[in-house]
Amino acid sequence: QQQVKQSPQSLIVQKGGISIINCAYENTAFDYFPWYQQFPGKGPALLIAIRPDVSEKKEGRFTISFNKSAKQFSLHIMDSQPGDSATYFCAALPGTYKYIFGTGTRLKVLA
Amino acid sequence: NAGVMQNPRHLVRRRGQEARLRCSPMKGHSHVYWYRQLPEEGLKFMVYLQKENIIDESGMPKERFSAEFPKEGPSILRIQQVVRGDSAAYFCASSPLTDDFTEAFFGQGTRLTVV
Repeated sequence: QQQVKQSPQSLIVQKGGISIINCAYENTAFDYFPWYQQFPGKGPALLIAIRPDVSEKKEGRFTISFNKSAKQFSLHIMDSQPGDSATYFCAALPGTYKYIFGTGTRLKVLA
Repeated sequence: NAGVMQNPRHLVRRRGQEARLRCSPMKGHSHVYWYRQLPEEGLKFMVYLQKENIIDESGMPKERFSAEFPKEGPSILRIQQVVRGDSAAYFCASSPLTDDFTEAFFGQGTRLTVV
């Protein structure tokens, strides 16, 4: 119940394409869903986050889609760029401090 | 305003030695969290501390691991008698003291290698 399942494990996208990463959860107590971007040798950096009272949030080229009934949320990266190549983690927070992270998706955007 | 500072960035220890990882939170932040990232895995919660208090250590291994956040100075994650399985990236995050939840900011991590 405390898991967040993330897919795919790796993703290769052409420059300008759309990258889509999916996450699913079981625990209905989760009420905050951030996405983190991590470059090699660096710490995770918050990219975008959503609460379950909205179905979509957009910030620049990054969009979170949230389906509360299906307990799923996804990250869409529009017009993907080589500089977006990184590992992306979804996470969920059950109203406290204990982030539950997905296992990560390694994205490679080809030039 | 400097971010969360962790040192060392890389640490190599022989089996049986002790590892000490330091974390200085962002200015004005009084909550510190430690996470561990094993190769090819997501981050796993270890411990949550406030100044001089351990709030939640449910993610800490029962033996050899300890954490502190003294009144003065950085938070320390201490691993005694390290084993190969302790090799991982250890991340510290911090957040300010408020009644509401706020985002936690992560440091760049300490990569521990046990040889």
